[in-house]
Amino acid sequence: DIQMTQSPSSLSASVGDRVTITCRASQSITRYLNWYQHKPGKAPELLIYAASTLQTGVPSRFSGSGSGTDFTLTISSLQPEDFATYYCQHSYRSLSFGQGTKVEIK
Amino acid sequence: QVQLVQSGAEVKKPGASVKVSCKTSGYTFTGHDISWVRKAPGQGLEWMGWISSFSGDTTYAQQFQGRVTMTKDSSTATAYMELRSLTPDDTAIYYCARDRESFGKHFDYWGQGTLLTVSS
Repeated sequence: DIQMTQSPSSLSASVGDRVTITCRASQSITRYLNWYQHKPGKAPELLIYAASTLQTGVPSRFSGSGSGTDFTLTISSLQPEDFATYYCQHSYRSLSFGQGTKVEIK
Repeated sequence: QVQLVQSGAEVKKPGASVKVSCKTSGYTFTGHDISWVRKAPGQGLEWMGWISSFSGDTTYAQQFQGRVTMTKDSSTATAYMELRSLTPDDTAIYYCARDRESFGKHFDYWGQGTLLTVSS
């Protein structure tokens, strides 16, 4: 099975900061990589699919990049509503999520 | 508009089974697979498996094989997930999610979640 490792596990940031979260796959998954935001008490929300395509309705401050084994989610200017946990998810021959990255207020 | 509405919270004893429903609307049910994902306290999202809403074919995550069954009723546009031999470790919020069916599996609409508590 392909393992997905996110880093960091958590981070503290301020409103307006640029935030970068990394997801590494244990083998190449080409571009079969998606990103979700999850807030307590709510369903997860799809942000990015196919590594870099912004889901309809998601603010443009979110962006994704990468291919093969290394991927990045970037929030260009952190907003108050962005404090949440972020997960990567692959769907290359199977499916699994990373362990999550919690973005907290500094 | 697309909606996935799940059944209500459940409390079960260890060893019991639970069946959660996911009623869909606002799109062609047979055009999108449904996956089930759970979130246990203090843990991350965990994919359990998916069902083809068209054929009924299923794929289960290895850790749930033999203990989970996913079914669907196309006449009511509803998907179901049954989990057996429950333990306290199965206490979690269970979500159904629609596969967008574009460049691999990713989930564009989700149910509101069903809280399962397993306790003696």
